[in-house]
This record gives sequence, C-alpha cells and structure tokens, in this order.
Amino acid sequence: GQQVMQIPQYQHVQEGEDFTTYCNSSTTLSNIQWYKQRPGGHPVFLIQLVKSGEVKKQKRLTFQFGEAKKNSSLHITATQTTDVGTYFCAGTGGSYIPTFGRGTSLIVHP
Amino acid sequence: EAQVTQNPRYLITVTGKKLTVTCSQNMNHEYMSWYRQDPGLGLRQIYYSMNVEVTDKGDVPEGYKVSRKEKRNFPLILESPSPNQTSLYFCASSLQGSNTEAFFGQGTRLTVV
Repeated sequence: GQQVMQIPQYQHVQEGEDFTTYCNSSTTLSNIQWYKQRPGGHPVFLIQLVKSGEVKKQKRLTFQFGEAKKNSSLHITATQTTDVGTYFCAGTGGSYIPTFGRGTSLIVHP
Repeated sequence: EAQVTQNPRYLITVTGKKLTVTCSQNMNHEYMSWYRQDPGLGLRQIYYSMNVEVTDKGDVPEGYKVSRKEKRNFPLILESPSPNQTSLYFCASSLQGSNTEAFFGQGTRLTVV
C-alpha cells in the first residue's frame, strides 16, 4: 500500500534558525496536504498542493511539491516560539484514502 | 461556528466494556473519518465514510465499528475494548474527501485498563 515517510522525527532549533521537514511517498500522489498540531491540540490544516513542482508561501512558511509528485517539503524561515508543534504531511494517491506521515516535532529554544 | 465536536474528551474504561465515542459536524460535510494517534506512529486512519450509509475500512479497522445514519454524525464504537486500543482518537470531516481541507475534532483520549 501507499506509504508516506516523513523526516526528521524531531528537530530542535534555536529561535531564529530555519527548519525543514520532508515527506516522501512510495507512489505518485494526486495531492499533498500539510497540517500543524500544537502540543495538546488537534491537527489544523495549513495548505494543499496539487500541481507538479508547485510552490506556495504563507508568510515564513514555504511549501513545495516535487516534480514527480512523490515528495514535498515544508520550510520555515527564522523560526519563532509560536512555530512549536508537530507538522504532518498527508498524501493522497489512487485509493482516495489520505496517508499521513508520522510527523516532525519542532522544538524551538528561545 | 464551524466545528467538529467529539465526546467525551477523556475516557477511562475497563477491558471488554462496550463504548461509543460520538462525533458531530455542523458543516454539511460529506466525508468523515476516524484516526488514532500513537507516539511515533502519527495519525492512522481507522474508518472513513464518503456519505450517509457509506463506510469503509481505513488502515487499522480491527476492533472498531462505525455507522453513518445521518450526515452530521459518525460515531466510533468499540464493542470489546482492549488495552492496545488505548490511544488519542480524532474525528475529522471534509467537504469532499481527501482532496479538500480536513477539520479535526478536539480529540478523545481513551485509556483501557
């Protein structure tokens, strides 16, 4: 079945440093979504990417979808303490069922 | 306010005692799903429903049941809970399935002793 690998599992950064999390799928995806879960909270939708090579930005967050639609990344520039949380990607292939990556927990040290 | 409501938020129960976790959404969404979240394993889909009376298994359906008699409600039923079902459960809904934004409930932390 479809698998979505997400790395790293944890990332510690000093406030102001950049952060990147990566997702790789074993199959071609029709779309990929990104969610953020604050500690003790529930996942909240950030963005959806659909097109090959697509790049979208939300303030300090940059999302990319690979040319082959099998990988994606989320990059945060100049992290802040408010960025703390776990970031999940969720890829959908031909099965209509989204497969979530295991998430990357971002810890920001002030 | 658009939301997905789960109840209860916390539940401690004993092995074998049937329980139901309710989920309700007020956005008229067609697609609803249940996930469990365990440390290091991320979110794994248990069951999903594409519309009323249409349900299907996700990745980890064993030990769970669901029903979708009304569009707004999607309860998760554990007929005979076991300790390995101790987990954090999330209900989610979206307008048209996995290609639209999913809205998650607040979560239900279940402990089976």
